[in-house]
Amino acid sequence: AQSVTQLDSHVSVSEGTPVLLRCNYSSSYSPSLFWYVQHPNKGLQLLLKYTSAATLVKGINGFEAEFKKSETSFHLTKPSAHMSDAAEYFCVVSEEPGGGADGLTFGKGTHLIIQP
Amino acid sequence: NAGVTQTPKFRILKIGQSMTLQCAQDMNHNYMYWYRQDPGMGLKLIYYSVGAGITDKGEVPNGYNVSRSTTEDFPLRLELAAPSQTSVYFCASSDLTGKSSPLHFGNGTRLTVT
Repeated sequence: AQSVTQLDSHVSVSEGTPVLLRCNYSSSYSPSLFWYVQHPNKGLQLLLKYTSAATLVKGINGFEAEFKKSETSFHLTKPSAHMSDAAEYFCVVSEEPGGGADGLTFGKGTHLIIQP
Repeated sequence: NAGVTQTPKFRILKIGQSMTLQCAQDMNHNYMYWYRQDPGMGLKLIYYSVGAGITDKGEVPNGYNVSRSTTEDFPLRLELAAPSQTSVYFCASSDLTGKSSPLHFGNGTRLTVT
């Protein structure tokens, strides 16, 4: 069985400082991992995904994440936060071989607050 | 492209009423999904479809029904609304490339049952 844990329900940073959103997962197979962002009153939008290629994955809007198998982590980072980054972020794991999104497990989300 | 379109955006129902949440996508995706999002709980899969005429239950299907008569449309039906169905509902779609395929989401329907 697979699971995903987002270690912080809320993260607050000042504009211009680094962002770190933490995600740990468990999986019996080689997983695919995703980060999605949800702005208020909007649907989720894909930020980036890991699918067993390069362990450092670059996404949109300056975000990146590093897959660390030994630590079962997939933390999301950004060097400098912008006010427009304020949103809910979801870490998602999929391990179903050959399967679709019926095999996805969503984390509970991290609310990112950007202080001016 | 419009992507995934959900209607309505908001709805208030009385207990026992019924309604259909509409979802349409214009990307010719085979996979479509319905999720519900409750505060602090992430997203839970209600139903999904791998193509026209094929549907299957997800993690929380009780109280809901779906149909998939065309590739584009995937409506979600609530027959006897209950307060526990108060939630935000998201429709999503993906192409047929397995576990690495990302989801494309609509903007959601906020439903309140009183």
